[in-house]
Amino acid sequence: GAGVSQSPSNKVTEKGKDVELRCDPISGHTALYWYRQSLGQGLEFLIYFQGNSAPDKSGLPSDRFSAERTGGSVSTLTIQRTQQEDSAVYLCASSKDRVAGNTIYFGEGSWLTVV
Amino acid sequence: AQSVTQLDSQVPVFEEAPVELRCNYSSSVSVYLFWYVQYPNQGLQLLLKYLSGSTLVKGINGFEAEFNKSQTSFHLRKPSVHISDTAEYFCAVRSGGYNKLIFGAGTRLAVHP
Repeated sequence: GAGVSQSPSNKVTEKGKDVELRCDPISGHTALYWYRQSLGQGLEFLIYFQGNSAPDKSGLPSDRFSAERTGGSVSTLTIQRTQQEDSAVYLCASSKDRVAGNTIYFGEGSWLTVV
Repeated sequence: AQSVTQLDSQVPVFEEAPVELRCNYSSSVSVYLFWYVQYPNQGLQLLLKYLSGSTLVKGINGFEAEFNKSQTSFHLRKPSVHISDTAEYFCAVRSGGYNKLIFGAGTRLAVHP
């Protein structure tokens, strides 16, 4: 497709289980971002990948969160031992490159509910 | 450090009335400014962005915003809103050399008939 694709669109998991969220960026986009949107919390930056450079992990809230990007394309966000406070919408985004003025395109998000 | 403040969490307005959604930013370097819209149960869509040049920026759906460097503001305006403009609006800032786009908390625009 032409846009950023995320899966699953909805995920309900039990507390303590691990979850994986997948993101397919727009073809040819070298920059990829993960954000978290919690009710009443706005949009929180999690991690940024740019080409083959080391990712900017400064927004990951704890060591239970990790992300990887294979082959410079698809990315997976993993949350281990999920907690109820992890319930949120996880948004993936991509842009053509790291130029600050480039538009960042967002996917529709993965809605995570931890019960 | 960069930050964005959206001064109104909710803005109710009647259909066909004008609206202004306020946004202030702080940054020690030159900035790029963005407004995104999020319709219910959807991702974020870019409305408009300011990079340089003219301080009045026109975007999609009849929205425009004005960059004011002295007041560090980037307010979003529309002269006449429609019911379909009901959504959450996010102001965001990014500086050269910074990887991340920093968002404000969002303003919920509710257009009533």
